[in-house]
Amino acid sequence: NAGVMQNPRHLVRRRGQEARLRCSPMKGHSHVYWYRQLPEEGLKFMVYLQKENIIDESGMPKERFSAEFPKEGPSILRIQQVVRGDSAAYFCASSPPYEETQYFGPGTRLLVL
Amino acid sequence: AQTVTQSQPEMSVQEAETVTLSCTYDTSESDYYLFWYKQPPSRQMILVIRQEAYKQQNATENRFSVNFQKAAKSFSLKISDSQLGDAAMYFCAYRRGGSQGNLIFGKGTKLSVKP
Repeated sequence: NAGVMQNPRHLVRRRGQEARLRCSPMKGHSHVYWYRQLPEEGLKFMVYLQKENIIDESGMPKERFSAEFPKEGPSILRIQQVVRGDSAAYFCASSPPYEETQYFGPGTRLLVL
Repeated sequence: AQTVTQSQPEMSVQEAETVTLSCTYDTSESDYYLFWYKQPPSRQMILVIRQEAYKQQNATENRFSVNFQKAAKSFSLKISDSQLGDAAMYFCAYRRGGSQGNLIFGKGTKLSVKP
């Protein structure tokens, strides 16, 4: 069973461009979480999704950020009009139904120039 | 709101010795889970150990064990027989009870292991 996969592993964008981060959960996992890690900080929750539904987006900035987890395909975290402050590591985690442990992907390092 | 505090930004241990990393949390809930994650230089988040709040017995995974003090809201991690590969950032995390919910992380403790 392959682990949580994220791509790209590294992404460089110029200010004003769009960033798309993808996450494929482990097989059988229907719950996906996105977290952001700023330099020298712990991970901060952004959004929790199940297939075709956003369950909790309380940690997501109101503007420029969106997330989806379609019926088919990976979960996508989209950042529009990126700014330098968006530079961070973005981690995806997944879990199966009725299990409390979350399994993390390797993260995507976003650098905004 | 729940919070997780790790009061030791950095710790150091001699190889083969034992080290304890501290974590305290604040919650008004009685049902929750606690975790320790390890983040080596590769930045991958690796689950080290987990504890269910309703269990009185402290969790153990090989060289890793916890001291869970529910009344004091304390959840420390003990690493025995430290190895060079244990060098990493260690994050304590809280999750409320129920089938799903996001993790709340502390700021982490950077552990160095001296040969």
